[in-house]
Amino acid sequence: DGGITQSPKYLFRKEGQNVTLSCEQNLNHDAMYWYRQDPGQGLRLIYYSQIVNDFQKGDIAEGYSVSREKKESFPLTVTSAQKNPTAFYLCASSISGQGGTEAFFGQGTRLTVV
Amino acid sequence: AQSVTQLDSQVPVFEEAPVELRCNYSSSVSVYLFWYVQYPNQGLQLLLKYLSGSTLVKGINGFEAEFNKSQTSFHLRKPSVHISDTAEYFCAVSDKYGGATNKLIFGTGTLLAVQP
Repeated sequence: DGGITQSPKYLFRKEGQNVTLSCEQNLNHDAMYWYRQDPGQGLRLIYYSQIVNDFQKGDIAEGYSVSREKKESFPLTVTSAQKNPTAFYLCASSISGQGGTEAFFGQGTRLTVV
Repeated sequence: AQSVTQLDSQVPVFEEAPVELRCNYSSSVSVYLFWYVQYPNQGLQLLLKYLSGSTLVKGINGFEAEFNKSQTSFHLRKPSVHISDTAEYFCAVSDKYGGATNKLIFGTGTLLAVQP
């Protein structure tokens, strides 16, 4: 079955540690996205990538980093510089970066920093 | 820049009653409009989208939405809800002329709570 896989589903980390969230898709989509979801705030765009080896900052990129070395993979690293990293993180992909194309979402990773 | 407003954070409704979830957007350019549904601890699933053409859009699970350009609204409706419709619903927009950029701007979500 085609889809987007995020792992792990739940992640606990100590404050000050970097952590990497995995996102893999087998839909052959060019564009991939990372969103952060907080209660009452909807989804906010962290980073997006329209093609391999290229990515752009979204609205809340500070304290995060990404890479896009393969079409299928778009990992997100939450660094120690992110002041409030506890949140639900959602990865998405779309067939292209063209406006209006449907975004398909993974099941999310809930990150808790203690 | 675009923005999306979902004024109702929670909408309680009885099973088999009709429901409307409100969405208003602000944009200086033409936009594409979307409604997504999120079940607890899961990702988002597309319900429907408006790209162009007929302003009444039908989606999955019996939902529909109407694009009203003069009122900059895209309200979601269902004539008769089921318990299984209990979920959070997100309205989103993307810039129609943003080039190769399919960035979605989301509203804060509306929790639809269907009661028996």
